[in-house]
Amino acid sequence: GAGVSQSPSNKVTEKGKDVELRCDPISGHTALYWYRQSLGQGLEFLIYFQGNSAPDKSGLPSDRFSAERTGGSVSTLTIQRTQQEDSAVYLCASSWGRASGATDTQYFGPGTRLTVL
Amino acid sequence: AQSVTQLGSHVSVSEGALVLLRCNYSSSVPPYLFWYVQYPNQGLQLLLKYTTGATLVKGINGFEAEFKKSETSFHLTKPSAHMSDAAEYFCAVSDHNQGGKLIFGQGTELSVKP
Repeated sequence: GAGVSQSPSNKVTEKGKDVELRCDPISGHTALYWYRQSLGQGLEFLIYFQGNSAPDKSGLPSDRFSAERTGGSVSTLTIQRTQQEDSAVYLCASSWGRASGATDTQYFGPGTRLTVL
Repeated sequence: AQSVTQLGSHVSVSEGALVLLRCNYSSSVPPYLFWYVQYPNQGLQLLLKYTTGATLVKGINGFEAEFKKSETSFHLTKPSAHMSDAAEYFCAVSDHNQGGKLIFGQGTELSVKP
């Protein structure tokens, strides 16, 4: 079956522009996570969705970052007024989201490489 | 707060040699521990995980890890390295109270010499 997919695979933008990154989770997975991978900061959690709700947004670095999930499926991460420090690989993961979600395996997509010039 | 420390940002071994990648964790609750591998320009793939039960966990591609509570460690091993094992390896602990978000170590890049 299909894994987690993300689009675009690469995005180059100019400082100050807005960008949208998309994640399609594995069908039936209710939990969805966004992470960011950068040279200086390693792998950082951004936000977690259970269904369409986001109980944990604690990793979003600023109010320029937002995310939504619709229909319990596709999620979009939006970065407004991009800055050079936003350059990173943005990874999406999904899991079954069972009650003991902490033990579930998270399946990762290939990521979106964002470059802000 | 939970945290993970991976000793050694880069490890190099010869083909056929033992692979040992070190991971130590900090957690105030019984930890759930994971090892993921990332091949160049790809996402992360689960190698193995420890949740409860047997402390020696076997994963894919011949890797295994042992949970040692007394040492707060979860080191990853493989008896004989293959060239195809060259990749970056991440140890992680999941947060019990926040939907299982993963807290990662800094990663260890494994090189395998012929």
